[in-house]
Amino acid sequence: DVKVTQSSRYLVKRTGEKVFLECVQDMDHENMFWYRQDPGLGLRLIYFSYDVKMKEKGDIPEGYSVSREKKERFSLILESASTNQTSMYLCASIPHLGSSYEQYFGPGTRLTVT
Amino acid sequence: DQQVKQNSPSLSVQEGRISILNCDYTNSMFDYFLWYKKYPAEGPTFLISISSIKDKNEDGRFTVFLNKSAKHLSLHIVPSQPGDSAVYFCAASHGSSNTGKLIFGQGTTLQVKP
Repeated sequence: DVKVTQSSRYLVKRTGEKVFLECVQDMDHENMFWYRQDPGLGLRLIYFSYDVKMKEKGDIPEGYSVSREKKERFSLILESASTNQTSMYLCASIPHLGSSYEQYFGPGTRLTVT
Repeated sequence: DQQVKQNSPSLSVQEGRISILNCDYTNSMFDYFLWYKKYPAEGPTFLISISSIKDKNEDGRFTVFLNKSAKHLSLHIVPSQPGDSAVYFCAASHGSSNTGKLIFGQGTTLQVKP
């Protein structure tokens, strides 16, 4: 079974703090994704990575950055957290392009910025 | 610009009856569609998918129908069970994007009453 894990299930941070969210997958997947889920807006893509050290902006990259130093690990960084970044953050991965579009999701991190 | 839309935020059905969840899209380049199910405090899990070369795909109690001319797809759950109560997201992708990116709808919360 594919396993995607996220470092924290719940996180509370203060405005202005730098926040790291980590995602690890154990199936040697090439492509990894970060989404945020908000009520009424569905899942919106923040960033994705198709290889180590490679990244591309998604639909809402402002205020975020990412890091992929190892194939299994994809980190989302909030440089200076703001209250409008309070959300559920979801990480996903797929084996490689052409295999399937089915993305495997982690359990999510509920981030609250106060 | 919402390319994938789920216009019904919620749906309530009686156990044993049919649940029909709808999804509309605007981009005619989309060629692969998926449905995900999400329970609270968990990541989305893949449910069923359909390629644009088909108009129907069935998996047990779940059937997805695709009407390309109307740019509409629907998920039928028969018979509905209380354990089906969750948020359902439809998602779309197009092969030419070469990234595996999925565009998600806003989600529909299904409640199946015993």
